[in-house]
Amino acid sequence: SQQGEEDPQALSIQEGENATMNCSYKTSINNLQWYRQNSGRGLVHLILIRSNEREKHSGRLRVTLDTSKKSSSLLITASRAADTASYFCATDSQNFVFGPGTRLSVLP
Amino acid sequence: DTGVSQNPRHKITKRGQNVTFRCDPISEHNRLYWYRQTLGQGPEFLTYFQNEAQLEKSRLLSDRFSAERPKGSFSTLEIQRTEQGDSAMYLCASSLEVREQFFGPGTRLTVL
Repeated sequence: SQQGEEDPQALSIQEGENATMNCSYKTSINNLQWYRQNSGRGLVHLILIRSNEREKHSGRLRVTLDTSKKSSSLLITASRAADTASYFCATDSQNFVFGPGTRLSVLP
Repeated sequence: DTGVSQNPRHKITKRGQNVTFRCDPISEHNRLYWYRQTLGQGPEFLTYFQNEAQLEKSRLLSDRFSAERPKGSFSTLEIQRTEQGDSAMYLCASSLEVREQFFGPGTRLTVL
């Protein structure tokens, strides 16, 4: 089974709303990363959070990490149509295992 | 453009043929990763290099797959005797130590 599992698998929201995606993992980690992938393109790194950090911000992105629950969340505030993409979490254990991703659709 | 390039971008081949893909990482990055991605799935780890040493190889990687990074710079991934199940996007990524990875645009392989 995969180390990172994103939830939900698909999310559809209106422009301007916030989008929250969750990631669960199984083993201990040093860091967890979130990536975005537009259709047919390569992945783009969004944010890295270390195991001793609980929250991190980058622009409209907010990532939290709860190592006791082995989970992380990605919040995108004030979403835009350009945020439409698949979002993946990946952990550094077992050579960067990616989950199946959350497909986010932001409707104008 | 992340600075990681992959060639070719698309490859169509017949079953049984050999194919080779190339990845040029960001020059100062010592780690290079290969992944395979199929539609609707996340990237699946294949192998990674630290400099020229191949340190890990997925159990999912059959003997038909081989990767090299001869001088610790660019890398090649070869698939011998391709099968239809090999059809996928092959992604390369590089990083400086165990930090964020920068992905190339991928090579889409179609095996007929």
